[in-house]
Amino acid sequence: DADVTQTPRNRITKTGKRIMLECSQTKGHDRMYWYRQDPGLGLRLIYYSFDVKDINKGEISDGYSVSRQAQAKFSLSLESAIPNQTALYFCATSDRRRPMFFGPGTRLTVL
Amino acid sequence: AQSVAQPEDQVNVAEGNPLTVKCTYSVSGNPYLFWYVQYPNRGLQFLLKYITGDNLVKGSYGFEAEFNKSQTSFHLKKPSALVSDSALYFCAVRDSDRDDKIIFGKGTRLHILP
Repeated sequence: DADVTQTPRNRITKTGKRIMLECSQTKGHDRMYWYRQDPGLGLRLIYYSFDVKDINKGEISDGYSVSRQAQAKFSLSLESAIPNQTALYFCATSDRRRPMFFGPGTRLTVL
Repeated sequence: AQSVAQPEDQVNVAEGNPLTVKCTYSVSGNPYLFWYVQYPNRGLQFLLKYITGDNLVKGSYGFEAEFNKSQTSFHLKKPSALVSDSALYFCAVRDSDRDDKIIFGKGTRLHILP
């Protein structure tokens, strides 16, 4: 969905490297989320933000940090990447009662 | 804290037959419930939602879901399956009383057999 964009779409990196995944949206939603998808584990919430000054940990926040630079931008950082962070990462946006809109995903491989 | 269970990892249905993908949830308040579909190498797409009102919710591509408060379930259904319905389906819930985060189930892979 072009309304939610993620960069990069694919990334291969090495253990110990710092990685930033970026998300931007044009839907005007105040809420933004980062999820990771692993086979057999579904989608797990990493961090979420209900507005620019609000950051909340999700189910699996250890090893990750986020920054909400503006209403439309929400970035996810891996300060020191490790192999078990290899996954498909999705950014999503929503309003209070509306469904979430997802970005196309970033496939991250940590060697 | 809220949670979602999708008890079946995979569901196989013959084309033309009715299909059901099961979902149960747990929230302390009133639930907002959602179904999403993921096709291969794609992001998640919204199918339908239950916020309030009629327990039978109709969504995209002929899908519907029935909210059952007593059984805390929100099963996804379609009267006649198509091969193109083969995909990964996710149920999700939010506790509306707490205005909290959205939690997803582990997903159910639906195979429609021609």
